[in-house]
Amino acid sequence: DAKTTQPPSMDCAEGRAANLPCNHSTISGNEYVYWYRQIHSQGPQYIIHGLKNNETNEMASLIITEDRKSSTLILPHATLRDTAVYYCIVSLRPMEYGNKLVFGAGTILRVKS
Amino acid sequence: GAGVSQSPRYKVAKRGQDVALRCDPISGHVSLFWYQQALGQGPEFLTYFQNEAQLDKSGLPSDRFFAERPEGSVSTLKIQRTQQEDSAVYLCASSLRDRASGAQYFGPGTRLLVL
Repeated sequence: DAKTTQPPSMDCAEGRAANLPCNHSTISGNEYVYWYRQIHSQGPQYIIHGLKNNETNEMASLIITEDRKSSTLILPHATLRDTAVYYCIVSLRPMEYGNKLVFGAGTILRVKS
Repeated sequence: GAGVSQSPRYKVAKRGQDVALRCDPISGHVSLFWYQQALGQGPEFLTYFQNEAQLDKSGLPSDRFFAERPEGSVSTLKIQRTQQEDSAVYLCASSLRDRASGAQYFGPGTRLLVL
């Protein structure tokens, strides 16, 4: 699986946009970018995924560069409840067998009031 | 609707004891995964089931670890002769193989402490 690189931690003011970067320079053409987050003492939570187009859902937006070597997860109006570890993961198309997720260290996002 | 549930939420075992961890996936989810998460680290893959078939067990750290899903729904992860290095959170996740997103839905985990 392709590896990802994320900053170890970031701070964000409550109500402001949180922009979390991820580098995945060795991503292959059939691999998707997934974002999960893990709030303290909970299991990881799916946020969003994309292949090459930008994506948006009720939780976040995902911006993928044209060369697909990096992406940014955007939380438009961060709240204190968004404080969590955010994982950027590259993985094969979901319907493949054994589509296990390979987690890195992630980014600790601290939202401060 | 109900999410993935795991039991027990916490388990303390003496070194050498056997433990069994249960996972109830979301109803109808074909795929089921087990992950192990050590303190301060990201989850690591252990094993994968599609229905009752265990298709990938490459992440199981030793032959003391055994997982089953006999009827294609509930799964049990068993650890025999537990060691202190087995202390971790064990996470279960399920997904609908045919869903476009393929997102995995995680349970809250079972925190295992081996003394």
